[in-house]
Amino acid sequence: GENVEQHPSTLSVQEGDSAVIKCTYSDSASNYFPWYKQELGKGPQLIIDIRSNVGEKKDQRIAVTLNKTAKHFSLHITETQPEDSAVYFCAAAGWNNNDMRFGAGTRLTVKP
Amino acid sequence: DAGVIQSPRHEVTEMGQEVTLRCKPISGHDYLFWYRQTMMRGLELLIYFNNNVPIDDSGMPEDRFSAKMPNASFSTLKIQPSEPRDSAVYFCASRTGKETQYFGPGTRLLVL
Repeated sequence: GENVEQHPSTLSVQEGDSAVIKCTYSDSASNYFPWYKQELGKGPQLIIDIRSNVGEKKDQRIAVTLNKTAKHFSLHITETQPEDSAVYFCAAAGWNNNDMRFGAGTRLTVKP
Repeated sequence: DAGVIQSPRHEVTEMGQEVTLRCKPISGHDYLFWYRQTMMRGLELLIYFNNNVPIDDSGMPEDRFSAKMPNASFSTLKIQPSEPRDSAVYFCASRTGKETQYFGPGTRLLVL
């Protein structure tokens, strides 16, 4: 089955700096890669996703890149703000989006 | 829309007791997922339903766990008898078609 690895497990940046979180996956059949943000006491919330027919997607300060050949994808947050502090999860799923496997999560802290 | 609704939000019980977690998916969503989140194992898919029918329960840890979806707007996850190692946060998520999953706020379960 799919195995998703996520790095780093913790990340601390200064407000205004960029943050990058990287994930690798094992199943070449995976073609849907969402990123979730989880704040304390809440469920994961989708922040951005990408499908395998696209190499990059951007939404304001957030961008995701995908390298299908290398089986890795990354989340980029620019101009970080304290409210970006949370745990971020990457995930990978196959064609039906049902067999979603999650990375272990990255705890991002943005220092004011 | 109110989003995915889960109850209770917190549950404390003693070992051996029956625990029932409840979920109301987003109206119109035809897929419902149950996840468990722990520090050690991260987010794990337990079971998912499509049109109220269980499709894949391979993630259910033991026979002590059971899930039902009697109609399109309600699902339960039951643990009987509960054990301390079942302590975790249980999330319900729903989606429609091949869109992304939307998570509920979770139920934090503590089994003493």
